[in-house]
Amino acid sequence: DVKVTQSSRYLVKRTGEKVFLECVQDMDHENMFWYRQDPGLGLRLIYFSYDVKMKEKGDIPEGYSVSREKKERFSLILESASTNQTSMYLCASSSPGLAGVSTDTQYFGPGTRLTVL
Amino acid sequence: KQEVTQIPAALSVPEGENLVLNCSFTDSAIYNLQWFRQDPGKGLTSLLLIQSSQREQTSGRLNASLDKSSGRSTLYIAASQPGDSATYLCAVASGGSYIPTFGRGTSLIVHP
Repeated sequence: DVKVTQSSRYLVKRTGEKVFLECVQDMDHENMFWYRQDPGLGLRLIYFSYDVKMKEKGDIPEGYSVSREKKERFSLILESASTNQTSMYLCASSSPGLAGVSTDTQYFGPGTRLTVL
Repeated sequence: KQEVTQIPAALSVPEGENLVLNCSFTDSAIYNLQWFRQDPGKGLTSLLLIQSSQREQTSGRLNASLDKSSGRSTLYIAASQPGDSATYLCAVASGGSYIPTFGRGTSLIVHP
C-alpha cells in the first residue's frame, strides 16, 4: 500500500524558532511537494522537487527552504518561524506519469498542524 | 496562469440524493484532472484521475467527467451516504508545468 508519512501531526513552536517538517514516501517517487492549506485560501504550493538534490520554488516560498538528500525524504524548513506561518502543512509525492510530462496521481501525507506562538 | 473554481463552496443534502459537484478551469490545455477527498484535519485522498485524452472515469458510486473544450469537470456521486461527508477538491495539471493547480473545494454534508 502506498504511504506518505509526516513526522508530526501537531506541532507548537515559538516565534523565531527553526522548525523542521519531515516527509517520507515509500513508493520510489521522483516528485515530492510541500503545500500549506489555510481556510479560504485553499492549497498553496511552497516548494517541489523532481529529483534528489533538486528543488523548485512554488507560489509562496518566502520564509521557507527545503532539503532533499535522499529520494524518499523531503524536508521543509522554517528558518525563523513567525505567527503567519501557523497553518496545516501537507506533503505529497507522485511519479512523472506519461512521457515524463504529466504527473500521475498525487499521494498525500496526513498533514502537520503547526501553531507558532 | 491556470485558475480552478469549484461551485458550490458548500452543499448539504439528505442521504440518498444523487449530487453533482462542479469544477471549472481557465486553460483548456491540460494534462490531467484529479478529484480528491479530504476529511477534516486529514490529508487528501485521490478519488479519480482523468487523463487529457479521456472523457470520464468511474469508481463505485463516483463518476467524473471531463470536457476540455468548455473547461469543466463534474463529479457525480450516486445515492449519497453520511460517510460521503467531506471536502472534495479538484486539481488540474496544465501548461508548461506538471504541477497541479487546486480549487478551493466543495464542503459536502450528507445528513441522515
